[in-house]
Amino acid sequence: KAGVTQTPRYLIKTRGQQVTLSCSPISGHRSVSWYQQTPGQGLQFLFEYFSETQRNKGNFPGRFSGRQFSNSRSEMNVSTLELGDSALYLCASLAGGASTDTQYFGPGTRLTVL
Amino acid sequence: AQTVTQSQPEMSVQEAETVTLSCTYDTSESDYYLFWYKQPPSRQMILVIRQEAYKQQNATENRFSVNFQKAAKSFSLKISDSQLGDAAMYFCAKGGATNKLIFGTGTLLAVQP
Repeated sequence: KAGVTQTPRYLIKTRGQQVTLSCSPISGHRSVSWYQQTPGQGLQFLFEYFSETQRNKGNFPGRFSGRQFSNSRSEMNVSTLELGDSALYLCASLAGGASTDTQYFGPGTRLTVL
Repeated sequence: AQTVTQSQPEMSVQEAETVTLSCTYDTSESDYYLFWYKQPPSRQMILVIRQEAYKQQNATENRFSVNFQKAAKSFSLKISDSQLGDAAMYFCAKGGATNKLIFGTGTLLAVQP
C-alpha cells in the first residue's frame, strides 16, 4: 500500500499571501488529521476530517481552514500568511477514524513565509 | 489541560547499548492510548510502538519496549541493542476520546559508533 502523500513538499510564500496544501491518505483510510510542527511550539493539532466533515479542531485562528473530498483527500488552506506560519505541516491518515486508530504520518510540507 | 512531558531534550547511547527515554503525561481520561513516534532528520515520522491504557502488559516491538506505569502516568521507551539508524527525534504522544494527539517536546537521540 502506498503511504500518506503530501504535496508540495516545499513551499515559499510571502506575508499576506495564501497557500493550499494537499494530503492523500493511505488507500482505504477515511480520516485525515493535520498538525503544525515548529521549533518553538512543537507539534500542534490543527484539525481532523472524517467523511468530508471536520470533526475536531485545534486552537488556531480562522485563517487556517481545511476540507476533505469524497475520495478522502484533504486540503488545508492558510490565508493572509504571517511569518509565524513558517512550519512543517504534517498530515496523518487513520483507517476508520476511530480514536483507537493509529495515525500514520506523511512526509510533511515545509512552508517558509518571507 | 492534558499534557505530555519529555524531560530529556537530548540523549546519547553507544551502538549496541540500551537506552531509555522518559515520558510522563497528565490526563483525566480513563481510556486512552500512548504512542512513541520516531522522526529521523528531514524524514518522515513513523510509529515505533503503541500502548493501550487498558492493557496491563507492556507493548514490545522487536528491540523497542515500553514501561507503562498507569498510576504514575509514566510511559518510557527502551531501545535495546541500539543501532546507528535509531538516531532520530523521538516523540511521545497521547490519544484519547478524539483523534487529537498530544505530543511531548521530543528527545533527540544520538547513537555513537
